[in-house]
Amino acid sequence: EPEVTQTPSHQVTQMGQEVILRCVPISNHLYFYWYRQILGQKVEFLVSFYNNEISEKSEIFDDQFSVERPDGSNFTLKIRSTKLEDSAMYFCASGNGGNQPQHFGDGTRLSIL
Amino acid sequence: AQRVTQPEKLLSVFKGAPVELKCNYSYSGSPELFWYVQYSRQRLQLLLRHISRESIKGFTADLNKGETSFHLKKPFAQEEDSAMYYCALDPNQGGKLIFGQGTELSVKP
Repeated sequence: EPEVTQTPSHQVTQMGQEVILRCVPISNHLYFYWYRQILGQKVEFLVSFYNNEISEKSEIFDDQFSVERPDGSNFTLKIRSTKLEDSAMYFCASGNGGNQPQHFGDGTRLSIL
Repeated sequence: AQRVTQPEKLLSVFKGAPVELKCNYSYSGSPELFWYVQYSRQRLQLLLRHISRESIKGFTADLNKGETSFHLKKPFAQEEDSAMYYCALDPNQGGKLIFGQGTELSVKP
């Protein structure tokens, strides 16, 4: 069964540095998402992406964040200047919209020092 | 406001006992609701969705619009059911998912 894959599984970065989290969605999916989960808290929506543009973003997704689909397979989340509070598990998901479920990757644990 | 509430952080039962994981939602429209499960060190996996009205691994969930609930039930819990369970609301059919806090289910032998 096809899966969403995320790399790296764990990223440690100094505060203020840029970080790029990578995701390969399921190949025939059209909708892509990023979520994050701060330790001990709920999974929170960050952004959705469809037809090569952001379709929705949350309040968390400020100017420090950006997403890109640089080629036909990858979907990336960039945090420009990381802060301590960006430390979290970041999940990528993909789906086909409508009432179809979203499929999640294993997540990238981001630790900001 | 769109919100999902899972009131129990931890639910501990013995093997063979019935299980009910509670989920209440706040949404004015017609909701799309899902249950996701996360086994230890694994990804979030779809367990079931209300629209398909199916039973997966013995679990069922019924949408009760009057009580705005989507509780997850299983008549006889198994040890392998131990996991984190998340209820999620899709208010826009294919847009963001709004998750509850999650309930950790622990099934003891």
